[in-house]
Amino acid sequence: DVKVTQSSRYLVKRTGEKVFLECVQDMDHENMFWYRQDPGLGLRLIYFSYDVKMKEKGDIPEGYSVSREKKERFSLILESASTNQTSMYLCASSLPWTGEAFFGQGTRLTVV
Amino acid sequence: DAKTTQPPSMDCAEGRAANLPCNHSTISGNEYVYWYRQIHSQGPQYIIHGLKNNETNEMASLIITEDRKSSTLILPHATLRDTAVYYCIVISFGSNYKLTFGKGTLLTVNP
Repeated sequence: DVKVTQSSRYLVKRTGEKVFLECVQDMDHENMFWYRQDPGLGLRLIYFSYDVKMKEKGDIPEGYSVSREKKERFSLILESASTNQTSMYLCASSLPWTGEAFFGQGTRLTVV
Repeated sequence: DAKTTQPPSMDCAEGRAANLPCNHSTISGNEYVYWYRQIHSQGPQYIIHGLKNNETNEMASLIITEDRKSSTLILPHATLRDTAVYYCIVISFGSNYKLTFGKGTLLTVNP
């Protein structure tokens, strides 16, 4: 069974902390994506990567960075967490040339 | 990628067909229509996709109009477990395509 695993289901961090959200997929997918989801705003793309060490900005990259050192792992980094980054974060992966993406279960991050 | 327009919410009676519309009037010839759904507290799940022809799988049917400016996702016999947000997205492929979602349609299946 295909799997995208996010390291935490719930996370509470303090304002100003550096936060790492980890995502691992076991399907050998080239493409990986990070989204945040907020009530009334839908699912918004933060960053995506189509290969190791490659990254592209999505629609809302401000305040975030990413790292993809290995094909199976895509990390989202909040350099200095702020309360407006409190959200549900979702990771996904897919093969190139297909829109069928597989999502993780999400990480609900609260910044206090 | 072409933009899509979906109604924010719809209701359907259990056991009836649910027909979810999507408008993508600016779609271009090489863009695909994909549908996903998101059940509460879970990540989105792929349902079906198409280019020009109608498609059917074990989950749903996808009807794309001849001019490709709109499509309809059909759940033939909706159940309570089909209550979810349904997203229609249009994708233009390259090896590094963007996968972006709108706000979708909240389908509520009522007993």
